[in-house]
Amino acid sequence: DIQMTQSPSSLSASVGDRVTITCQASQDISNYLNWYQQKPGKAPKLLIYDASNLETGVPSRFSGSGSGTDFTFTISSLQPEDIATYYCQQYDNLPSFTFGPGTKVDIK
Amino acid sequence: QLQLQESGPGLVKPSETLSLTCTVSGGSISSSSYYWGWIRQPPGKGLEWIGSIYYSGSTYYNPSLKSRVTISVDTSKNQFSLKLSSVTAADTAVYYCARHEGQWLDWGQGTLVTVSS
Repeated sequence: DIQMTQSPSSLSASVGDRVTITCQASQDISNYLNWYQQKPGKAPKLLIYDASNLETGVPSRFSGSGSGTDFTFTISSLQPEDIATYYCQQYDNLPSFTFGPGTKVDIK
Repeated sequence: QLQLQESGPGLVKPSETLSLTCTVSGGSISSSSYYWGWIRQPPGKGLEWIGSIYYSGSTYYNPSLKSRVTISVDTSKNQFSLKLSSVTAADTAVYYCARHEGQWLDWGQGTLVTVSS
């Protein structure tokens, strides 16, 4: 089974800060990596698919990069509405899926 | 616009079977090459894939839950269902249904199922 790790588990940043979250897979998953945003009491929302592609309608301050085992998710300028938990998710062996443990983002 | 809605009991007794249904509206569950799946999230914890059914009827389960999970589809009602047997308190979670490919695209709002006597 492919395991996913994320770091940090939580972070606090100021409005306008650049925020970076990393996700690591236990084996090579090419670019089969997605990023989701989940706000309290809501279902997750897809932000980035296939490591670096921005989902339609998602603000351009969100971006993703990486391939193989190491991936990065970036918010270029943190906004108050970005307060949420962010999850990475791999699908190297579709339709088997694994999610990362999540990164909770707060405003400092 | 595709919408999904989970339904089922919010309280299940230990050792019994959890049963949930996802009703799909705004599109046909059998007319497109998507998967229809279930994900759960224990309170305050992360997301766990439970299993999925392809539009053709093929099923796929998380190996850690496979012995207890059954997912089925009723195309006449545009619904798919989850059954999880022999539940314990560890199965208490918000259960989400969703349409997906490699990406989980459209989600229900989620339903909290509590396992307690």
